[in-house]
Amino acid sequence: DGGITQSPKYLFRKEGQNVTLSCEQNLNHDAMYWYRQDPGQGLRLIYYSQIVNDFQKGDIAEGYSVSREKKESFPLTVTSAQKNPTAFYLCASKAPGQPQHFGDGTRLSIL
Amino acid sequence: KQEVTQIPAALSVPEGENLVLNCSFTDSAIYNLQWFRQDPGKGLTSLLLIQSSQREQTSGRLNASLDKSSGRSTLYIAASQPGDSATYLCAEEGSYIPTFGRGTSLIVHP
Repeated sequence: DGGITQSPKYLFRKEGQNVTLSCEQNLNHDAMYWYRQDPGQGLRLIYYSQIVNDFQKGDIAEGYSVSREKKESFPLTVTSAQKNPTAFYLCASKAPGQPQHFGDGTRLSIL
Repeated sequence: KQEVTQIPAALSVPEGENLVLNCSFTDSAIYNLQWFRQDPGKGLTSLLLIQSSQREQTSGRLNASLDKSSGRSTLYIAASQPGDSATYLCAEEGSYIPTFGRGTSLIVHP
């Protein structure tokens, strides 16, 4: 079955540590997105990519980085510069004119 | 910048009621309007997508309408069931990037 896989489901970060969240899709979608979800805040866009080897900052990109070396993969790194990383992170992909497809999310917490 | 607002923020109803969830957006130049469902601790599941040229879409007990001139979309849930309990989010896509509302948290009690 086609879909989006996010891993890990839960992740813990120590002070000063960078962590990477994985997002893989087999839907052959060009566009991929990373969102952060906090209680009462809705979904906020971190980064998006419309095509391989290209990506753009969203509304809250500071303290995060991404790469898009393959169509299927769009990993998100939460750097030590992100001072409040505790949140639920959602990855999505999309084809033009079609609904977004979401993964099941990664919950990141601080140790 | 597009803003999407959902009212009410929370709703608790007895089983069997017909429901209306509201979504409003500030820029009528939208490409499409999507409704999603999110269960606790899970990702979003697409329910209905309305293209800008369409007025409504239906799937089972769900019906979504779109009125671009007034900047509003509604999601109608007929004969609600406890399994409908979830958060419902709408998102408009004006360019290539969907903008989400904060959602309506729905509880349907037996």
